[in-house]
Amino acid sequence: DQQVKQNSPSLSVQEGRISILNCDYTNSMFDYFLWYKKYPAEGPTFLISISSIKDKNEDGRFTVFLNKSAKHLSLHIVPSQPGDSAVYFCAASGSGTYKYIFGTGTRLKVLA
Amino acid sequence: GAGVSQSPSNKVTEKGKDVELRCDPISGHTALYWYRQSLGQGLEFLIYFQGNSAPDKSGLPSDRFSAERTGGSVSTLTIQRTQQEDSAVYLCASSLAGAGGSYNEQFFGPGTRLTVL
Repeated sequence: DQQVKQNSPSLSVQEGRISILNCDYTNSMFDYFLWYKKYPAEGPTFLISISSIKDKNEDGRFTVFLNKSAKHLSLHIVPSQPGDSAVYFCAASGSGTYKYIFGTGTRLKVLA
Repeated sequence: GAGVSQSPSNKVTEKGKDVELRCDPISGHTALYWYRQSLGQGLEFLIYFQGNSAPDKSGLPSDRFSAERTGGSVSTLTIQRTQQEDSAVYLCASSLAGAGGSYNEQFFGPGTRLTVL
């Protein structure tokens, strides 16, 4: 049972436009969410996080939105740059736990 | 400062052989995690260490898999009698603490790509 789902395996966006990556979860006990970015032959690197007490968190070009009622979060990248081309994973965790459940990832390609 | 390191970066082995994968976490990080990423899949949790003990081994796929951590630092993941389905990228991560929250950002190593022929 996939508790964290990223239904789009890939996404292509023109440079300068907005990239929107989506993530859905099923466990209502999740209250902390993260996005990681992964380049080939490297480990994932932390990008941005959001707690369930918020519905938006912004860091430069990256904004994460959380819709708790829909159990949905999204990552917006604007403007998109070719260096953003990578695989993006969302992950979720419950309060006081140590384990993050990761989605299957979305491969973003930003076209120059 | 040094990040999480893993060795070897690539390992090719024959079916039935044993392999050992090593992880050096960031100094001072008490929590250590092993994940596996098979082709086209997400990151699959394998095991979690808090210090030298492993409170959760629930992700280990079979009894051929084991892991240990010594001195609250280096960890080794051992796969005995490897099978072709063990082929994957094995990722190690460490964090300052084991509880959920903003202080629990996990820092990942580059991974070990294991290929079982």
